[in-house]
Amino acid sequence: GDSVTQMEGPVTLSEEAFLTINCTYTATGYPSLFWYVQYPGEGLQLLLKATKADDKGSNKGFEATYRKETTSFHLEKGSVQVSDSAVYFCALSDFYGGATNKLIFGTGTLLAVQP
Amino acid sequence: NAGVTQTPKFQVLKTGQSMTLQCAQDMNHEYMSWYRQDPGMGLRLIHYSVGAGITDQGEVPNGYNVSRSTTEDFPLRLLSAAPSQTSVYFCASSSTVPNTEAFFGQGTRLTVV
Repeated sequence: GDSVTQMEGPVTLSEEAFLTINCTYTATGYPSLFWYVQYPGEGLQLLLKATKADDKGSNKGFEATYRKETTSFHLEKGSVQVSDSAVYFCALSDFYGGATNKLIFGTGTLLAVQP
Repeated sequence: NAGVTQTPKFQVLKTGQSMTLQCAQDMNHEYMSWYRQDPGMGLRLIHYSVGAGITDQGEVPNGYNVSRSTTEDFPLRLLSAAPSQTSVYFCASSSTVPNTEAFFGQGTRLTVV
């Protein structure tokens, strides 16, 4: 079945450091890929997405490129801030031909940014 | 903008008790789902619904029931709580248009003792 694998955390960085969180996936169809972020005490919210190979999703300085050849969707940011401290989830959604939008999540990566 | 509203935020149950976690959305979304979040395991799908009167099982459905009598509401029932159901539960909703954004509630932290 479909699955998502993320790098384990926690990831601890100093402010203004470069961030990469690795994500790889396994899917039988042609999935769309997502990054969701969970701030402390809150639900998840969409950070960015890409729906086909070579698409780049971007938002709030974060970027991720859908790489079909390496089945990857790594999250990057050039300069992190303390306010970026959160748990980041990589997820996929495979359109099974029906009216569903089931999301399959990775285990999440905790990012802690220190001033 | 209410979005997805879950109640309660926190709950402690004794083993064997029953309870219902409430979820309501005001975005007229057809698709709704319940996840549980456990350390080291990410979010796992419990049940989902593609519209009123239609529900289906996800990855970890055992011990949980759902119903969908209206578009807005999607309650999750624990008939006989077990310590293994201690978790954080999230309700989500989205359009049935493929690959659209899912909106999540703030979660219910459930402890079964």
